Amino acid sequence: KAGVTQTPRYLIKTRGQQVTLSCSPISGHRSVSWYQQTPGQGLQFLFEYFSETQRNKGNFPGRFSGRQFSNSRSEMNVSTLELGDSALYLCASSPEGTSGRRGETQYFGPGTRLLVL
Amino acid sequence: QKEVEQDPGPLSVPEGAIVSLNCTYSNSAFQYFMWYRQYSRKGPELLMYTYSSGNKEDGRFTAQVDKSSKYISLFIRDSQPSDSATYLCAMTHGSGNTGKLIFGQGTTLQVKP
Repeated sequence: KAGVTQTPRYLIKTRGQQVTLSCSPISGHRSVSWYQQTPGQGLQFLFEYFSETQRNKGNFPGRFSGRQFSNSRSEMNVSTLELGDSALYLCASSPEGTSGRRGETQYFGPGTRLLVL
Repeated sequence: QKEVEQDPGPLSVPEGAIVSLNCTYSNSAFQYFMWYRQYSRKGPELLMYTYSSGNKEDGRFTAQVDKSSKYISLFIRDSQPSDSATYLCAMTHGSGNTGKLIFGQGTTLQVKP
């Protein structure tokens, strides 16, 4: 099976702009989680989607939003970018709900590296 | 205080050494414990997954969970230069807190030939 894919891999934006990142989960996985990784804060949970519904949300401002489509692909959007939003954004998919497997095991994509100037 | 504490290292060992990586946590509700390996400029790769207390072995890797001490470990036997990476522990409550893993800061490991 193909792994989690994320596009684009690299992105440079300026303050005040908005950005949309895309994630395609492993085939058959319906749960998608997003994380932000920075050297100072490490990996921090943004939100999780399952069957097009946001089920869980981390402690990030409302500028961070996401959605999931019927094919389980997910997008996250950051509006009004700030310098501090520069980070590696990781998407992870989980086999929850498939063949009785649990959702705690998450498989990560390569990430999108966002630089805000 | 962070929910999950992990020594960032760096940890440098000679090839063939046994490596011990550790995390402590404060939330007794955590039930599921994972170790990920992350190479530079890549996404984390799931290495080991353990539910509750006990040991789990997979090849050169052994994961241990001691819930009474709130302490988890990853042992790497016969370490190789290709094991040089950042190792992240992660944990979650399970049901009721879907999709959210809490990560340690990661330990950078260097295995020297």
